[in-house]
Amino acid sequence: QLQLQESGPGLVKPSQTLSLTCSVSGGSIGTGNDYWTWIRQPAGKGLEWIGLVYTSGIIKYNPSLKSRVTVSLDAPRNEFSLRLSSVSAADTAIYFCARAEYSSAYHYYHIDVWGKGTTVTVSS
Amino acid sequence: SYELTQTPSVSVSPGQTARITCSGDKLGDKYTSWYQQKPGQSPVLVMYQDKKRPSGIPERFSGSNSGNTATLAITGTQPTDEADYYCQAWDSDAVIFGGGTKLTVL
Repeated sequence: QLQLQESGPGLVKPSQTLSLTCSVSGGSIGTGNDYWTWIRQPAGKGLEWIGLVYTSGIIKYNPSLKSRVTVSLDAPRNEFSLRLSSVSAADTAIYFCARAEYSSAYHYYHIDVWGKGTTVTVSS
Repeated sequence: SYELTQTPSVSVSPGQTARITCSGDKLGDKYTSWYQQKPGQSPVLVMYQDKKRPSGIPERFSGSNSGNTATLAITGTQPTDEADYYCQAWDSDAVIFGGGTKLTVL
């Protein structure tokens, strides 16, 4: 059974870079038709998509975050990562990594496996 | 940019049918997914490609999508269905989430 686990600092200072890693177990990140995704959720608010990466090298970002976000995949380590630069208090949230299924032909996308999420607070 | 609009809250009595809607321009031309999130937990996929139920999701959950509105219906709503529900679609190379609907079963 595929499992995802987020890891990284729980506290980041303003203007610094937030870095998180998602470790994948129970399956290989480098095969299949899976799109590896980052999503965040500020406390008491809704879900916000951050970006996704596919093994072929396809990467897509939320346009509102694109200038600050980098998502990458490390197949040998079976993990993928998120970097968000120049953070502010507005970036304080629970960050989820997830596995999605996507079809470019039929334009469907849905997330079927979620990590438990990790809370990141931006504060000095 | 594309937007999905959900009613912030819906209330339903146990055993009744709850309908949660998601609106967007020509949403019926896109595939919609639905996620259930209970307090302190990660979201769970309860419907994908408009009307397909993942394994393990009860048959009382059903979905439809036409025109500008997608609907998640829960027949015979149970207290355990109380949660936040989010719709989601794909548009212009981006994942779009609705703002969420809090379903109260009382």
